Amino acid sequence: GAVVSQHPSWVICKSGTSVKIECRSLDFQATTMFWYRQFPKQSLMLMATSNEGSKATYEQGVEKDKFLINHASLTLSTLTVTSAHPEDSSFYICSARLAGVGKNIQYFGAGTRLSVL
Amino acid sequence: QKEVEQNSGPLSVPEGAIASLNCTYSDRGSQSFFWYRQYSGKSPELIMFIYSNGDKEDGRFTAQLNKASQYVSLLIRDSQPSDSATYLCGGGAQKLVFGQGTRLTINP
Repeated sequence: GAVVSQHPSWVICKSGTSVKIECRSLDFQATTMFWYRQFPKQSLMLMATSNEGSKATYEQGVEKDKFLINHASLTLSTLTVTSAHPEDSSFYICSARLAGVGKNIQYFGAGTRLSVL
Repeated sequence: QKEVEQNSGPLSVPEGAIASLNCTYSDRGSQSFFWYRQYSGKSPELIMFIYSNGDKEDGRFTAQLNKASQYVSLLIRDSQPSDSATYLCGGGAQKLVFGQGTRLTINP
C-alpha cells in the first residue's frame, strides 16, 4: 500500500507558541491531502482539505487563521497550529488521497500527538 | 442526520466467531466506501474498500455494499484477539466522512 509519513509523531509546546506538522506521501503524488483531529474516544473529525497549489478548504467551525495549511508540492502538506492553547491538545492525523476510478483511497499518516502546556 | 452512522458498540465477540459491523450513509452521491481499523493511540489503517453493490472478500474480511438501502457492512470471520480495535466506516462523494466508529473486542 501507499506510504504517508507524518512528522513529528509527538510534540509538547508552551501555550502561545506555534507548531508545524508535516505530511508527506512517499511513493505517490497526492493532489489532495486531508487533515483530521481526534479527541480521546471520539471519531476522526475532518478539519480541512488541502489542495496542491491552491487554498485549503476548511470545514465549518475550523478557524483557518489558527490552522494554517500549505500544500506547496504534490508530496507535502503542512499544518501549522498558530498560538496553540491547551484546548488545541489533540491527535492530529493527515491522509493523502490516491486517486483512481471509483476509488479515491485515503492513506493515513501515523499521526501527531500535540500537548500544549 | 449524520452522513455516516455506525453503532458505537462496544461489540464483544468470542474468538473464532464472526464479527459483523454495520454502517449506514445518507449521501446517495457517495461512490466508494472504506473500512479502517484503528488501534488505541494509533492512526487508522485501511482494511478494505468497496464501490460496487454486492460482496467483496479479502482473506477473513468481507465487505458488503447495498446502495439501494445505503448500507455497508464488514464481516470478520474466525475472529482473533488481534482484531480487537475500533473500526471506522468512511464514505463520501468528494471527501471521506467517517462514522463514530465501532469498538470491537474479541474474547479469547
